[in-house]
Amino acid sequence: DGGITQSPKYLFRKEGQNVTLSCEQNLNHDAMYWYRQDPGQGLRLIYYSQIVNDFQKGDIAEGYSVSREKKESFPLTVTSAQKNPTAFYLCASSGTIRSYEQYFGPGTRLTVT
Amino acid sequence: QQQVKQSPQSLIVQKGGIPIINCAYENTAFDYFPWYQQFPGKGPALLIAIRPDVSEKKEGRFTISFNKSAKQFSLHIMDSQPGDSATYFCAASKETSGSRLTFGEGTQLTVNP
Repeated sequence: DGGITQSPKYLFRKEGQNVTLSCEQNLNHDAMYWYRQDPGQGLRLIYYSQIVNDFQKGDIAEGYSVSREKKESFPLTVTSAQKNPTAFYLCASSGTIRSYEQYFGPGTRLTVT
Repeated sequence: QQQVKQSPQSLIVQKGGIPIINCAYENTAFDYFPWYQQFPGKGPALLIAIRPDVSEKKEGRFTISFNKSAKQFSLHIMDSQPGDSATYFCAASKETSGSRLTFGEGTQLTVNP
């Protein structure tokens, strides 16, 4: 069953702690993306990766970090430097960076108190 | 700066009605315009998409109308059903940015029985 998995679905952390969100895909897609969604707002791009071992900042990269060591995996770390980390985080992938269709995972809701 | 503006923010219709959601963009380099549907707690799913070389595209009960000169596009849902109740996002992309999508703010649609 092909698709994108994100884990966990809900995540709770104390302020000041780093936390890593998982994203795995078995679609054999080259490109992967991380978005942040806040209530009443559209999706904002955090980071994206076109190929393994390469990634670029999106529109709101401050306070976040990523890695792309394997084609299937694109984990996102929310660092303590992110001032408002509580949000719904969505991972997506597309066939290539020039393939317009993006497929989304189910999301991880992060709450930091 | 918001490059894709979406309206209305919320919309309520009766079953069988035809909700219309509008989007306007600024960047004339955009050449791909998808619509995504998102149910609560889930990731968005691609619904339908259009390129600027056509003025209309239909897929089932969903229709995109595109007005290149006005830099506007809209989603129409024919014979709307309660199961269509969801948040709808328009987006835009340009070839030079690969599949990086710029999203509108979203429209929360409620279809009453």
